[in-house]
Amino acid sequence: SQQGEEDPQALSIQEGENATMNCSYKTSINNLQWYRQNSGRGLVHLILIRSNEREKHSGRLRVTLDTSKKSSSLLITASRAADTASYFCATGSSGGSYIPTFGRGTSLIVHP
Amino acid sequence: NAGVTQTPKFQVLKTGQSMTLQCAQDMNHNSMYWYRQDPGMGLRLIYYSASEGTTDKGEVPNGYNVSRLNKREFSLRLESAAPSQTSVYFCASSPQWGAGELFFGEGSRLTVL
Repeated sequence: SQQGEEDPQALSIQEGENATMNCSYKTSINNLQWYRQNSGRGLVHLILIRSNEREKHSGRLRVTLDTSKKSSSLLITASRAADTASYFCATGSSGGSYIPTFGRGTSLIVHP
Repeated sequence: NAGVTQTPKFQVLKTGQSMTLQCAQDMNHNSMYWYRQDPGMGLRLIYYSASEGTTDKGEVPNGYNVSRLNKREFSLRLESAAPSQTSVYFCASSPQWGAGELFFGEGSRLTVL
């Protein structure tokens, strides 16, 4: 079963708008990662946030982590058509056994 | 700059046939993984190899076997393919077990008739 679950399942916005997607998980984690998957391609790592971090930035990406609520959000600012892709969160469990577990993903469409 | 290479990219099998998906990485990574991706199900872990010489079952191992041939290569074998194994298979690697970032191949699209 998936550890992380993304919300919403699908998101459609106009170029220039911000896109926010969320990830909820069930058990304690040592880190949470976000990946992007373009249609027909493999997944590409975007950003990793550790359990002791609350916020992290990378270019137009901003990730937050709230361990008390067991949730994370990915914000893409000033979206571009090239951001059209599926986005997945992956959690690494704490307790010594790290198995990367993925959610079902959010499908983002950015209209030019 | 190949990264993770999977072969074949596409394959059609008949029920009961066997085949092996090959995966190789050139990044000197210790850990390797096989996932399958089905519509609406996200990625599910089939098997993983935390380091050379070790393999372990993931979430959905039934019907599959793996071999960590050496540090570079990790193969996935379907002994008797079933239609339920129609999926896109992804191989991934990471520098160390628990190191975080996974590097993925481009996927192998398998159809079992």
